[in-house]
Amino acid sequence: DAKTTQPNSMESNEEEPVHLPCNHSTISGTDYIHWYRQLPSQGPEYVIHGLTSNVNNRMASLAIAEDRKSSTLILHRATLRDAAVYYCIPRGGSQGNLIFGKGTKLSVKP
Amino acid sequence: DAGVIQSPRHEVTEMGQEVTLRCKPISGHDYLFWYRQTMMRGLELLIYFNNNVPIDDSGMPEDRFSAKMPNASFSTLKIQPSEPRDSAVYFCASSRDRVFSGNTIYFGEGSWLTVV
Repeated sequence: DAKTTQPNSMESNEEEPVHLPCNHSTISGTDYIHWYRQLPSQGPEYVIHGLTSNVNNRMASLAIAEDRKSSTLILHRATLRDAAVYYCIPRGGSQGNLIFGKGTKLSVKP
Repeated sequence: DAGVIQSPRHEVTEMGQEVTLRCKPISGHDYLFWYRQTMMRGLELLIYFNNNVPIDDSGMPEDRFSAKMPNASFSTLKIQPSEPRDSAVYFCASSRDRVFSGNTIYFGEGSWLTVV
């Protein structure tokens, strides 16, 4: 499994953009990069995933470095509801499962 | 879609008692996962099934833990006998076939277990 490094915690102000970084230098060529988040007292939920190209959806954008050794999850306008732990998870084509690290705890200030 | 359904949501039991946690995956999903979350160890994968067959149970802590999936719409995680250190939130999750590793995994709301 590819190792990941994420900041333990980050702070943001409401309605400002947030950039959550993740290093995954041992990622293999077939690993997708998944991001999940876990709101307080809830199960993890899918945010976004990508392989090589940058990706956008209604929740966030994912910017993947050209060498794929790092990625950044971008929340364009943080809301109080975005306060959660964000997990970056490389997931290989042969894997059925997700292996969670410690993630980044995002706090959003009003 | 109803999502992944877990029961019970909360359980308090005495040490030594048997605990059974239940999960109904999303219809049509071929993979089912059991995770455990504690403050100390974070989210740990215990076991996962593909088409009702256990694929990887290396995360199951010890023989006191067992998991079954008798059919595509039901799974149980049993702890017998339970111990205080089993207190945790247990999550069930499901996903479609892993042919494309971009498949999303959907989690239930968790079963909060306290063993006293």
